[in-house]
Formats: sequence, C-alpha cells, structure tokens
Amino acid sequence: LAKTTQPISMDSYEGQEVNITCSHNNIATNDYITWYQQFPSQGPRFIIQGYKTKVTNEVASLFIPADRKSSTLSLPRVSLSDTAVYYCLVPFMGSQGNLIFGKGTKLSVKP
Amino acid sequence: EAQVTQNPRYLITVTGKKLTVTCSQNMNHEYMSWYRQDPGLGLRQIYYSMNVEVTDKGDVPEGYKVSRKEKRNFPLILESPSPNQTSLYFCASSLGRGAGGPRGVQYFGPGTRLTVL
Repeated sequence: LAKTTQPISMDSYEGQEVNITCSHNNIATNDYITWYQQFPSQGPRFIIQGYKTKVTNEVASLFIPADRKSSTLSLPRVSLSDTAVYYCLVPFMGSQGNLIFGKGTKLSVKP
Repeated sequence: EAQVTQNPRYLITVTGKKLTVTCSQNMNHEYMSWYRQDPGLGLRQIYYSMNVEVTDKGDVPEGYKVSRKEKRNFPLILESPSPNQTSLYFCASSLGRGAGGPRGVQYFGPGTRLTVL
C-alpha cells in the first residue's frame, strides 16, 4: 500500500520559505510524486510533479532524494493567499487506478 | 476552456430518494474519478474509470454506482441515499493513469455539496 504521511498542519509568516515533507516508503519504481493545493470548498489543483532529484516551476520546487521514500514541497516567500491544504499523492501500489490522497497538510500563513 | 463540470453544485435531498450527480470533461481524458471529502478525512476515492465501459471501486464504493458510457461523462449515482453520504463530492479527470507522470495530472471539478436529510 503506497501510503503517504504528511504533517497535519503548519504555520508560517508572510515572506518565509515553507517546506512540507511527505513520506512514501512503498513507492513503486515507475511512480511519480504529485502535489496538489486545495482552497476551502474548491477542488484540488495541480502544483508540481516529479520523479527524482529536483523539479522547479513558477510556484514551487520539489526535492526528491535518491531513495525516493520521501519528497519535500518548497514554497518560496509565501503570502496569505498560500493558506490552503497541500496533498502529496502517490499511486496505490499494485493498482493501475486506485489513488489514496491522505489527509494533507493544512498550511496557515499569518501576516 | 478546458474544464471539468459537475451538476448540481448544491443538493439537499431526503433519505432513499435516488439521485445522480453528473460529471463532464472536455479534454478527451481517459481516466475519470469520483472522490468524497469529509472533515478530518481528506479526499477518499469512491470509483474510478480507466476508459469507456471500464470502471472499478476505490476506497469507499459502498452505496454508490457509476457508469462510463461515453468518454466525456462519468455520472455518480446514489440509488438510496443515506445521511452518512452527506459530503462534498469531487469529480476529476486525467489523460491517463492517475498520478502516473504528466499524463496522470488530475483536473478537478468545482465540487458538489450534498446533504441527505
């Protein structure tokens, strides 16, 4: 079972860098790690995806160590609008389609 | 505009009255999925579909049915709703296998808030 573990919540202040780590000890060889952001009463939206090492886009960076048993989402200089729930998603091991999102990390950014 | 649409957005019903929540995507995606979200429990997958006429159970399928007769539509059916199905429901789609690389990036609908009295 490819289960992910994330902190339940994190607090930060505007302008700081935030790092959210997700553990996925049973990730399969071919699986990617995908992160989503969700605002209250809205559907999750894609932030970033990676397979190994480091991936960067306009909103975040994703760091994946060589053993791929964890990953860290990095949000540079957060603002109040980054307050949301962040989900790390890894496919259910052994299945083609079953997905387990987990409970996510609730990030609260304060002024 | 590429999007996933759901209808209705809000629904209040009574126990036992059959209902259908529609989901449609205009991106020619093969993979579609239904989730429910409850406070403290995160997103839980109900059913998913790898392609037309191919559906399978997720983590919490009890009390739900789905069908995939066309590629763009994936309705969620509650034959006899009960109060424990009161929840926020999301439909999602992706090009291919869920979370399997760029083709697996999921696009979510706006959600349907269902209340069963």
